[in-house]
Amino acid sequence: QVQIQQWGAGLLKPSETLSLTCAVYGGSFGGYYWSWLRQTPGKGLEWIGEINDSGSTNYNPSLKSRVTLSLDTSKNQFSLKLSSVTAADTAVYYCASLTGTRRWGQGTLVTVSS
Amino acid sequence: DIVMTQSPDSLAVSLGERATINCKSSQSVLYSSNNENYLAWYQQKPGQPPKVLIYWASTRESGVPDRFSGSGSGTDFTLTINNLQAEDVAVYYCHQYYTTPYTFGQGTNLEI
Repeated sequence: QVQIQQWGAGLLKPSETLSLTCAVYGGSFGGYYWSWLRQTPGKGLEWIGEINDSGSTNYNPSLKSRVTLSLDTSKNQFSLKLSSVTAADTAVYYCASLTGTRRWGQGTLVTVSS
Repeated sequence: DIVMTQSPDSLAVSLGERATINCKSSQSVLYSSNNENYLAWYQQKPGQPPKVLIYWASTRESGVPDRFSGSGSGTDFTLTINNLQAEDVAVYYCHQYYTTPYTFGQGTNLEI
């Protein structure tokens, strides 16, 4: 059974870069798109973007200018970088396979505060 | 973007009764080439990530009790929970994966 574990810094200052990584265990990494999402009480669930094992990406236009997705197929890992964060980027961030296994990581609370 | 609108926002149902949650998409999520609706339902409990219940609008995920069922096509979808149990208290979301940016409904808070 596929499991996804995620990690990364949980407290950032405005203008810093958010960096999170997910690792996929117990199943195939290839052949799927791997997504990043975030959740806030005000905006609900927001899809950030996705990357597949070939490095092909799709981004939410609302965040595209600040988002970089990457992957390391040798480790079955994929990563998110979100630049120039503000308080509005405070959220629980998830990685997930929305169109494949439909498994989600456990979530990481990221707080942006000076 | 495809806007997903759920109704109601909140729902209180007695144990053993039926809960019905509706989801409407601003455009069709039915892909004509394979006749599949790119619509999923998720359940989220406090402090946990969303868990998939239904995908392709009506296919139940392995391990999900058969009291959960999904129906609908095109732009109108329904999640039905029969014989409501205490552990079904959660927030439920519909989600379209027909096109990017993928989008979710605002959530329906189900209470006993």
